Parts: sequence; structure tokens; C-alpha cells
Amino acid sequence: KAGVTQTPRYLIKTRGQQVTLSCSPISGHRSVSWYQQTPGQGLQFLFEYFSETQRNKGNFPGRFSGRQFSNSRSEMNVSTLELGDSALYLCASSRDTELAGVGDEQFFGPGTRLTVL
Amino acid sequence: AQKITQTQPGMFVQEKEAVTLDCTYDTSDPSYGLFWYKQPSSGEMIFLIYQGSYDQQNATEGRYSLNFQKARKSANLVISASQLGDSAMYFCAISSNTGKLIFGQGTTLQVKP
Repeated sequence: KAGVTQTPRYLIKTRGQQVTLSCSPISGHRSVSWYQQTPGQGLQFLFEYFSETQRNKGNFPGRFSGRQFSNSRSEMNVSTLELGDSALYLCASSRDTELAGVGDEQFFGPGTRLTVL
Repeated sequence: AQKITQTQPGMFVQEKEAVTLDCTYDTSDPSYGLFWYKQPSSGEMIFLIYQGSYDQQNATEGRYSLNFQKARKSANLVISASQLGDSAMYFCAISSNTGKLIFGQGTTLQVKP
């Protein structure tokens, strides 16, 4: 079974540009979550999508947005990039079943390392 | 709000010895889950072990075990018989029924030969 894939793996952008990151979940997984990891702030939750709807959102500015397609693939977009957006962006998928509940394990992809110059 | 505290920024352990990584949490949710993930230098987060708040027994997965003390709100990870490949960053995380994980700041573990 293929794991979570993220593209691209590395990205270099300049301030003011926008970027789109892609995440393909494990087959059959319906929930996709995004996290930002920086040395200063650690791992922070961005948002979660389920059945093409944003179900949960972290405390990030509106420049960060996302969407989910009918095949559960997800994209996140960051507009008007700032230097502080340089980070490792991790995507995670989970089955999201009623049985799993709080124990719904999230499987992470390898991440996209974004550098903003 | 949920919170995870990992007080050990870095730990050293001798190969083949056991090591305990500390994790305390704070939550007002009656039902929650506690996770431990390993992050090698490659960046990928690898799931290690899970403990549900209503689980009566401590979770174990191979060389990993979770010392869950609900009254003290602690969920320490114990790695037995450390291997060189265990050198990595370790994160404790808590979840509720929202599809959202809250992570601690992590502990860097270095295994010495």
C-alpha cells in the first residue's frame, strides 16, 4: 500500500510570491491534515479536510488556504509569501472512522521543505 | 485548549540500554488520544505508539512502551534496548475528536555506540 506522498519535496520562492503544495493520502483515507514545522514554533496544525470540506482550522492568517478534491487529494496554498513561511510542511492522512475516534492514527508524508528568500 | 510539554530538549543513551522520554499533557476533553512519533533527519514523521485515555493497560509496540499515568497527566515513552537507528527527534502529541494533533516541542535522542 502506497504511503502519503507530497510534491514537490523542495521549493524555493521569493517574498511576495505564492505557492501550492500537493498531498496524496493513503488510498481509502478520507481525512487530510496539514502541519507547519519550524525550528522556532515547532509543529503547528494548519487545517484539516474531510470530504472536500475544511473541518478544522488552526491559528494561521488567511494567506494560508487549502482544499480537498473528490479523490481525497489535497492542496494547500500560501499567498504573498513571507520569510517566516520558510518551513517544512507536513501532510497527514487518516481513515477517520467512527471506530477510530480519538485513536485515529495519522500517517505522515515526507514533507515539502519551503524556503522563502 | 490542549497542551503537550516535553521538558527534555536532548537526551543521550548508551546503545542497548533503556531510555525514558518524558511527556506531560493538559486537556479538558474527557476522551483523548496520546501519540508518540519519531522524526529522523529525513523529516518524515513515523508513528510509534498510541494510548487512549480510557485504555486500562499501558500500550506496548515492540521495543516501545508507554508509561501512562492519567492522574498525573503524563505519557512517557520508554524505549528498551536502544539501537543506533533510534537516534532521532521524538514528539509526543495529543488528539481529540477533531482530526487535529497538538505536538510538544520534541526531544532529540542520541544513541551512543
